[in-house]
Amino acid sequence: QKEVEQDPGPLSVPEGAIVSLNCTYSNSAFQYFMWYRQYSRKGPELLMYTYSSGNKEDGRFTAQVDKSSKYISLFIRDSQPSDSATYLCAMRPTNSGYSTLTFGKGTMLLVSP
Amino acid sequence: DSGVTQTPKHLITATGQRVTLRCSPRSGDLSVYWYQQSLDQGLQFLIQYYNGEERAKGNILERFSAQQFPDLHSELNLSSLELGDSALYFCASSPRASGAGTDTQYFGPGTRLTVL
Repeated sequence: QKEVEQDPGPLSVPEGAIVSLNCTYSNSAFQYFMWYRQYSRKGPELLMYTYSSGNKEDGRFTAQVDKSSKYISLFIRDSQPSDSATYLCAMRPTNSGYSTLTFGKGTMLLVSP
Repeated sequence: DSGVTQTPKHLITATGQRVTLRCSPRSGDLSVYWYQQSLDQGLQFLIQYYNGEERAKGNILERFSAQQFPDLHSELNLSSLELGDSALYFCASSPRASGAGTDTQYFGPGTRLTVL
């Protein structure tokens, strides 16, 4: 079992839809969770990060962490064609000291006009 | 634009050859990370340097090596190249050594390596 699992998609939705992107993980020590967006042929860019459990909202984006289920989500409201990209979740075990990031393989999202 | 630059953008070479990928971190960032991204493996951490010193190693092959220079730019050297080394190679930088908390990693545009 991979440490971080993410459905590769593609996930196709019409413009304006609410999108839910998810990752599951196996390492209960993961405390710090991030979502990166990667456009085709570009480097990943950080969208949001959260620490431990709970929700965090930033504009149309909401990140949710459920540590009891080892499950994280990214919701995109009022999706736009410009949101079409691959979304990577990433996580690490601690909020202090050194630790590397473990990435999911990414979910490709396609938003059609 | 993340502020991280990588050269070259594309590299095509033959099996058995050696190549060098270059990365310049964001101004003020002391840590440089190298990642390999392929379709089947996703984004894999290779190695991190902090202020010239190796800080952490991930899934880096012995045929690969890296260094960070006094001006903080970094180079990733790939030798005895195999077909399976074809991938996107990303460099990221962050301000601190620990990679913890809000020490965000900012990614460069990547180098696409094709080994024929």
